[in-house]
Amino acid sequence: SQTIHQWPATLVQPVGSPLSLECTVEGTSNPNLYWYRQAAGRGLQLLFYSVGIGQISSEVPQNLSASRPQDRQFILSSKKLLLSDSGFYLCAWSVLISGYQETQYFGPGTRLLVL
Amino acid sequence: AQSVTQLDSQVPVFEEAPVELRCNYSSSVSVYLFWYVQYPNQGLQLLLKYLSGSTLVKGINGFEAEFNKSQTSFHLRKPSVHISDTAEYFCAVRGNSGYSTLTFGKGTMLLVSP
Repeated sequence: SQTIHQWPATLVQPVGSPLSLECTVEGTSNPNLYWYRQAAGRGLQLLFYSVGIGQISSEVPQNLSASRPQDRQFILSSKKLLLSDSGFYLCAWSVLISGYQETQYFGPGTRLLVL
Repeated sequence: AQSVTQLDSQVPVFEEAPVELRCNYSSSVSVYLFWYVQYPNQGLQLLLKYLSGSTLVKGINGFEAEFNKSQTSFHLRKPSVHISDTAEYFCAVRGNSGYSTLTFGKGTMLLVSP
């Protein structure tokens, strides 16, 4: 069966510091991968998605970036964190089946607090 | 593009009462519909989904939802809730297109009290 891991689970970082969050998926090949941010009271915002190694699409402009160095690894980064980067970061994976049917499955999330 | 509206930000109910969480969507193409549940400090767990076929979809934990194309709705129901159902519930839609991504509603907090 497929599993998805995120780490760290919780992170407290000062403003201006760098960030690296990691997501890995097991038990599937060539998944679509997604990064979402969930800020308090604002639902889920899609940040990046990837359909393959080195292929990254950005949904919103920000000081974050994403990379996919391996098929089942997705990394979210920042060179300098802002207070507004605080939130709950969720990674998700999916595999497209017939037509465009796609179900996304989510990881446990990383709680980021920028002080 | 798609959009999702969850009309209620909070729904308080008593244990063993029925509940309905409302979800309406808009889309210019055919859609796939999903409900996810999020317990505190956890990721999202898939409750149920509508991809095709029967418009009444049954999911985990006794939840069900009905796809109503004419009313563009996908309301979530449970005939008798438990304290453990207290969580945030998200409705999501994906268009039937290769360029579509999953769009979420803002969530409904279900508060079950004894």
